[in-house]
Amino acid sequence: DIVMTQSPDSLAVSLGERATINCKSSQSVLYSSNNKNYLTWYQQKPGQPPKLLIYWASTRESGVPDRFSGSGSGTDFTLTISSLQAEDVAVYYCQQHYSLPLTFGGGTKVEIK
Amino acid sequence: QVHLVESGGGLVKPGGSLRLSCEATGFTFSNYYMTWIRQAPGKGLEWVSHISSTSGSYTNYADSVKGRFTISRDNAKNSLFLQMNSLRAEDTAVYYCARDDKIFHHWGQGTLVTVSS
Repeated sequence: DIVMTQSPDSLAVSLGERATINCKSSQSVLYSSNNKNYLTWYQQKPGQPPKLLIYWASTRESGVPDRFSGSGSGTDFTLTISSLQAEDVAVYYCQQHYSLPLTFGGGTKVEIK
Repeated sequence: QVHLVESGGGLVKPGGSLRLSCEATGFTFSNYYMTWIRQAPGKGLEWVSHISSTSGSYTNYADSVKGRFTISRDNAKNSLFLQMNSLRAEDTAVYYCARDDKIFHHWGQGTLVTVSS
C-alpha cells in the first residue's frame, strides 16, 4: 500500500498570510505513460463531505479560488493557500489514486491565528 | 447536476448486518465506477470499496472489510449498495458514496453507521 504522510498535523495562520501543507507518498505516484501525478487534494469542513480542490497535483477544480494551488511531483507535494481567508478554516487531505488501495493522508487542520 | 444521497445507516450491534444505499441523479449512472469511502468519528478518510461501471463485474475492497462487505449496483434504479456483515466497533463511521472518475469530484453527504452493544 502507498502510505501518504501529511505535515504538519495542524497549523495556525493569520488572515491574509500564506499556509503551506506538505504531503509525501511512500512511492512515486507519477504515471510515466501520461506524465501525470495521481495526487489529489480535498478540503473538509465540519459536518460536510470532502470537497475536491486540486487534482493531477496542480489542476484546480472548477470554482475553486485561485488562492489555492498545488505543486510537486513524484513523492513530494504541496498545497498552498496564498492568502488565508476565514472560510478556509478546514481539514485538508491529500490522496493518491495511483494504485489500490486508494489512500489518504492523515489530514492537516488549518486554523486562524 | 450530480447528486448522491446515502441512506441505510443506523445503530447495530457487533456481529450484525446493515445495507447502505446510495441513490444517484444528474448523470448516466451506468457509465461510472462508484466508490464507498468512510470516516470514523474525528478521524481521517478511508477508501472502502469500488465497483466498475456497466455490469459491475469488477470490485475491489480494503483489506479491513474484505470478506465482510459486498458492494453492488442496480443501474436500472441508479443505485449503489454496500452490504455490511459481521460488523465491528471499528466499522463505526460516516459512509460516503462518491462517483469514481479516478478523482472524486462528487460526494454524497454521508450516512452514519454506529456499531455498539
